[in-house]
Amino acid sequence: DAGVIQSPRHEVTEMGQEVTLRCKPISGHNSLFWYRQTMMRGLELLIYFNNNVPIDDSGMPEDRFSAKMPNASFSTLKIQPSEPRDSAVYFCASSLEGKNTEAFFGQGTRLTVV
Amino acid sequence: QQPVQSPQAVILREGEDAVINCSSSKALYSVHWYRQKHGEAPVFLMILLKGGEQKGHEKISASFNEKKQQSSLYLTASQLSYSGTYFCGTEMRNYGQNFVFGPGTRLSVLP
Repeated sequence: DAGVIQSPRHEVTEMGQEVTLRCKPISGHNSLFWYRQTMMRGLELLIYFNNNVPIDDSGMPEDRFSAKMPNASFSTLKIQPSEPRDSAVYFCASSLEGKNTEAFFGQGTRLTVV
Repeated sequence: QQPVQSPQAVILREGEDAVINCSSSKALYSVHWYRQKHGEAPVFLMILLKGGEQKGHEKISASFNEKKQQSSLYLTASQLSYSGTYFCGTEMRNYGQNFVFGPGTRLSVLP
């Protein structure tokens, strides 16, 4: 398996624009996680899906952020409108079953909002 | 609610041992350990689910003291490849399903 695949790897956008980050989890994994990493705030869990259903979105910073998982092989994280403080590396990870099994991370999307 | 990690940074010579601690002010349900190299994604090391549980992974092992609400990661006979930032992630009892990472401990292993 190719592992967790994220796209794009880098994104530069202007403030106010919509940004969509994409993730393809490892085939057969039923749990998917979106994380954000910044120097100031460290590594934060944004949202966790199990069997395509959002289980815990308490880490989503505000209404400008939304995440979907329409099927077992695809998820998106959308920011609309984007702001400079959203600049970060966004990681997607998947695991075989829930939070307490090994999670495999994608290579991340480095987002810069100018 | 973020766990506290200590030390913040440590420098070792190859072959030396290190201990990284992770402690919480809240009762813990689980502790996860990850290592991240600069510019790369975090890589899973291990999960500890039960109080008193110990796990090993090559020369890296960890313990979980549920009573003290803390976990420790032990690196023995360190290798150059161990360099990176180590994060603990904690899931707290009675706090829903929220999962929080510590700020990280930067480990540098020198030849």
